[in-house]
Amino acid sequence: DAMVIQNPRYQVTQFGKPVTLSCSQTLNHNVMYWYQQKSSQAPKLLFHYYDKDFNNEADTPDNFQSRRPNTSFCFLDIRSPGLGDAAMYLCATSRTLVGVTSTDTQYFGPGTRLTVL
Amino acid sequence: GESVGLHLPTLSVQEGDNSIINCAYSNSASDYFIWYKQESGKGPQFIIDIRSNMDKRQGQRVTVLLNKTVKHLSLQIAATQPGDSAVYFCAERATGGQNFVFGPGTRLSVLP
Repeated sequence: DAMVIQNPRYQVTQFGKPVTLSCSQTLNHNVMYWYQQKSSQAPKLLFHYYDKDFNNEADTPDNFQSRRPNTSFCFLDIRSPGLGDAAMYLCATSRTLVGVTSTDTQYFGPGTRLTVL
Repeated sequence: GESVGLHLPTLSVQEGDNSIINCAYSNSASDYFIWYKQESGKGPQFIIDIRSNMDKRQGQRVTVLLNKTVKHLSLQIAATQPGDSAVYFCAERATGGQNFVFGPGTRLSVLP
C-alpha cells in the first residue's frame, strides 16, 4: 500500500510556465520534505514542513515555493521553471524530525520527473 | 562547510559475497548518519542509521560502521543478493538542523 504518493509521476512543462507537483501521505506524519534530485546526483533538500511550520534551506532558489494545506498534502510550486530545474522531485515524510528518536524514519515517495521544454 | 563523499562510485560483487560501501564526511560535528538505497525509478529507501555516539549498528544483513577519528562511514551488506542492486547514498545531518547532506552515491551491481 502506497504511503507517500506523488502525482503525477511524470510532468512536462514549458520554460517559464508555472507548475505544481503534489504529494500526499497516509502516514499522518508531522514532517514533509521536498528534495530535488538531478540525473546521477544525490537528492538535495529544498525545504520541509514541521506541521505548519515552513523551513526553507538557505540555498533554495526563490523560484521554488511550497504549500501544506493540511497534514496529508504538500505541494511544490515552481513559479518560472528553467531548463536547469529539470529533475526528479522527491517528497518524503517522517513522524518527527529525523534523528530525534530511534524510531524516526524518513519515507520517500516514488518521485515526479519534471521535464522542461 | 559540510560535505559527504564516497570513495567508490561503482561496485560490482558476486552474488553471495559481502559488499562494503564506503563514505567519507568532513564535518566532525555531524551527529547523525543514514544509509539509503535507491532502486531505479524509485525514491530512496531508508536502510539503517547511526548516531555519532555509536560506532556500530546492525540490521538485517546490514551493518553500519562509524569511525569518527577518520570521519568515515561504511555500509556492509552480508550475502549480497540480486535485489541489493541499487544506488546507495550516505547522508549526514547538519548539526542542529534537518538538512541531510547526501553523498554522490555508489552504484552496487550484483553479478550472478
